[in-house]
Amino acid sequence: DTEVTQTPKHLVMGMTNKKSLKCEQHMGHRAMYWYKQKAKKPPELMFVYSYEKLSINESVPSRFSPECPNSSLLNLHLHALQPEDSALYLCASSQDRTGTYEQYFGPGTRLTVT
Amino acid sequence: AQTVTQSQPEMSVQEAETVTLSCTYDTSESNYYLFWYKQPPSRQMILVIRQEAYKQQNATENRFSVNFQKAAKSFSLKISDSQLGDTAMYFCAFMKNNNDMRFGAGTRLTVKP
Repeated sequence: DTEVTQTPKHLVMGMTNKKSLKCEQHMGHRAMYWYKQKAKKPPELMFVYSYEKLSINESVPSRFSPECPNSSLLNLHLHALQPEDSALYLCASSQDRTGTYEQYFGPGTRLTVT
Repeated sequence: AQTVTQSQPEMSVQEAETVTLSCTYDTSESNYYLFWYKQPPSRQMILVIRQEAYKQQNATENRFSVNFQKAAKSFSLKISDSQLGDTAMYFCAFMKNNNDMRFGAGTRLTVKP
């Protein structure tokens, strides 16, 4: 199973809402990632979790709050977002510390902030 | 900071022909990893090919091969026998050992019948 799943596929939320994005993998990977991708642009790294600990935080605004409950799950909690936060949010995972380091991506959650 | 440059925003190729996508990067690291990812329209990002910097031999995966020139910091992707399904955005990516991966701006490839 080489699949990373993300829910929901689409999300529309108002600026005062609180919502969460979910990501799951069952490949035994110990590193998980959140990226933000605007239209026709490359993915931008937001957060990296390594062995369930936050290892990279790319100065992302606090209205984005990541959580890694266990080695298979990764959440991104959203609160008080701005319209410019509308984007495709990608989750990825990789083996970390062993193997060849390539990242496997999920299909993404397309977020629209109104 | 590492930077990845893809100088070709768009390219096109006839079906069954060969095309080469360019990528250069800047780093002071000696050990790192390079990747080409493919993102078809409205579809998932998938890995095309990877190269470890310590390996001199160029990686190949079926119709896809790379020309890795470490001294020149160049990592181009050659697609042979192009197929319609190769139409996608192609991203070159650089990663150090700490899982910090950076993407180039991308090259939009169109394969024409």
